Amino acid sequence: NAGVTQTPKFRILKIGQSMTLQCTQDMNHNYMYWYRQDPGMGLKLIYYSVGAGITDKGEVPNGYNVSRSTTEDFPLRLELAAPSQTSVYFCASHRGGSYEQYFGPGTRLTVT
Amino acid sequence: DQQVKQNSPSLSVQEGRISILNCDYTNSMFDYFLWYKKYPAEGPTFLISISSIKDKNEDGRFTVFLNKSAKHLSLHIVPSQPGDSAVYFCAASNYGAGSYQLTFGKGTKLSVIP
Repeated sequence: NAGVTQTPKFRILKIGQSMTLQCTQDMNHNYMYWYRQDPGMGLKLIYYSVGAGITDKGEVPNGYNVSRSTTEDFPLRLELAAPSQTSVYFCASHRGGSYEQYFGPGTRLTVT
Repeated sequence: DQQVKQNSPSLSVQEGRISILNCDYTNSMFDYFLWYKKYPAEGPTFLISISSIKDKNEDGRFTVFLNKSAKHLSLHIVPSQPGDSAVYFCAASNYGAGSYQLTFGKGTKLSVIP
């Protein structure tokens, strides 16, 4: 049982490039989330999903896209990367009826 | 507009003493509160939670207190251990609206000195 896994761990992008951050969970959780954490700040919600095929925007969705074709996977797509997207990205999941979110180890992204 | 505030960025405590981490919230619709612990280069891990129908919840060395009238909660760690050194995030949710979304504070970095 690996829990929530995220790849890559680190990535440096040039301005204008695009990439996909991968997130997979093996706990059969319906709910999945993407957060970003900037230095000295709390986690801010980018997008979330309540099940396969259903996604919705969080607090800071601009510049990002998501898809949820399976229960296990919830990739986050960055198009036209900007320096403001330099951050640590966390994926999380939980089962319905529980507030306890399980987090992945994070992806540290730098856009220069 | 910060709805969940952790006004102390850092806290240092001697090993064996009590650590008290504070959290304030402004949204009166929040009805479920959680504390997460985060070590460097790792994701946050769930520590303890409390529903708004309670004013206290204990789990071993960790106790969370909720004062709804003051919109304030605190996490007590007794006794503090060096392994407790981490960043602690307070989070809140509005379960009554059917939402599991969490609003996080900025975190408090706890250092437990041996």
